[in-house]
Amino acid sequence: AQKITQTQPGMFVQEKEAVTLDCTYDTSDQSYGLFWYKQPSSGEMIFLIYQGSYDEQNATEGRYSLNFQKARKSANLVISASQLGDSAMYFCAMWTGGTSYGKLTFGQGTILTVHP
Amino acid sequence: KAGVTQTPRYLIKTRGQQVTLSCSPISGHRSVSWYQQTPGQGLQFLFEYFSETQRNKGNFPGRFSGRQFSNSRSEMNVSTLELGDSALYLCASSGTRGNTEAFFGQGTRLTVV
Repeated sequence: AQKITQTQPGMFVQEKEAVTLDCTYDTSDQSYGLFWYKQPSSGEMIFLIYQGSYDEQNATEGRYSLNFQKARKSANLVISASQLGDSAMYFCAMWTGGTSYGKLTFGQGTILTVHP
Repeated sequence: KAGVTQTPRYLIKTRGQQVTLSCSPISGHRSVSWYQQTPGQGLQFLFEYFSETQRNKGNFPGRFSGRQFSNSRSEMNVSTLELGDSALYLCASSGTRGNTEAFFGQGTRLTVV
């Protein structure tokens, strides 16, 4: 069975500082992908970054980077230069190979609060 | 390019009623997935449709059903509503990159009273 674990229920960061949100995953599949999403209080799930299991480079998207450590089965999100608008819930999610069409397994989320 | 559109944004229904939610994917995307989000259970996968065919289904009772039309728009239906069905329902669309992309709509917040 696939599982995503986010061990930080809440995180606090000062504006303009960097923050790392933890995500570990469990799967026996060799082919899988990892996502990070941001969910503000409005409810929309906003795509941030994606990393495939065969991607050799860590994914980056602007201020977001994914620290992918395959052997440790971790896919931590790093947000550089935090902004007040980054305050939201953050979810790590995974799809696995085979016939898991459209199915993402989500972690429980981490609430990030950015202080001015 | 328009994103994923879900309608309505908010719904209040009474126990025992049924409800239909709509999701219009990103233009050109043929896969639509549905998720239920509750504080207690988190995000759970309901089902996925591709070219009008259900390819995958989560562990939900038969009261939850869906369909997809030839223009890729999808609807999900919940019959005989229960209080526990109160949730945020999110849909995601994926295109040619298949499982490597999933863009979500703003969700429909359903309250059952």
